Amino acid sequence: ETGVTQSPTHLIKTRGQQVTLRCSSQSGHNTVSWYQQALGQGPQFIFQYYREEENGRGNFPPRFSGLQFPNYSSELNVNALELDDSALYLCASSLGGGSEQFFGPGTRLTVL
Amino acid sequence: QKEVEQNSGPLSVPEGAIASLNCTYSDRVSQSFFWYRQYSGKSPELIMSIYSNGDKEDGRFTAQLNKASQYVSLLIRDSQPSDSATYLCAVLFSGNTGKLIFGQGTTLQVKP
Repeated sequence: ETGVTQSPTHLIKTRGQQVTLRCSSQSGHNTVSWYQQALGQGPQFIFQYYREEENGRGNFPPRFSGLQFPNYSSELNVNALELDDSALYLCASSLGGGSEQFFGPGTRLTVL
Repeated sequence: QKEVEQNSGPLSVPEGAIASLNCTYSDRVSQSFFWYRQYSGKSPELIMSIYSNGDKEDGRFTAQLNKASQYVSLLIRDSQPSDSATYLCAVLFSGNTGKLIFGQGTTLQVKP
């Protein structure tokens, strides 16, 4: 069974740039959720995708967007990067929206 | 505002002792509760899920849920230095299909 994978592992961008993060869900899972984790804090929910549709969104501005592909992999896009976007971005996959979520290794984004 | 509260610690216990980690949540009708372990620089790893009042045991871990008191805890028996990590409590609130709300985490230090 293949676990959740994310790419890239680390990323450095400058303020105002755009970034795309990628996630492949665990085999058999159809739901992907994205979280942002700042240093010393718990993860904060960005949004969830279920069968290619957004299925809930947290308190993040519209410059955070995403999509899910037919193979259930997913992308998170962030436009107009700000310094406060520096964080660990986590992808979690699950079988359905309300079941156990399993996290990938994360992407560490640094915005300079 | 739905919230999950944890004492940030650090909680320090000697090797072989029982570590007790606590979490309270604000929504009385929440149904699903999870404990994740996060080592420094790594992503969260699911270690326990609990859905009904009472205790659930898995190896050295026991999760306890009291919905009337809106309280969930994690006991780690025979604590080992390898258990030293941050433990995140996460709650799936009612009315949400998959938005996990996390506490800020409790840092556990197990001293040899």
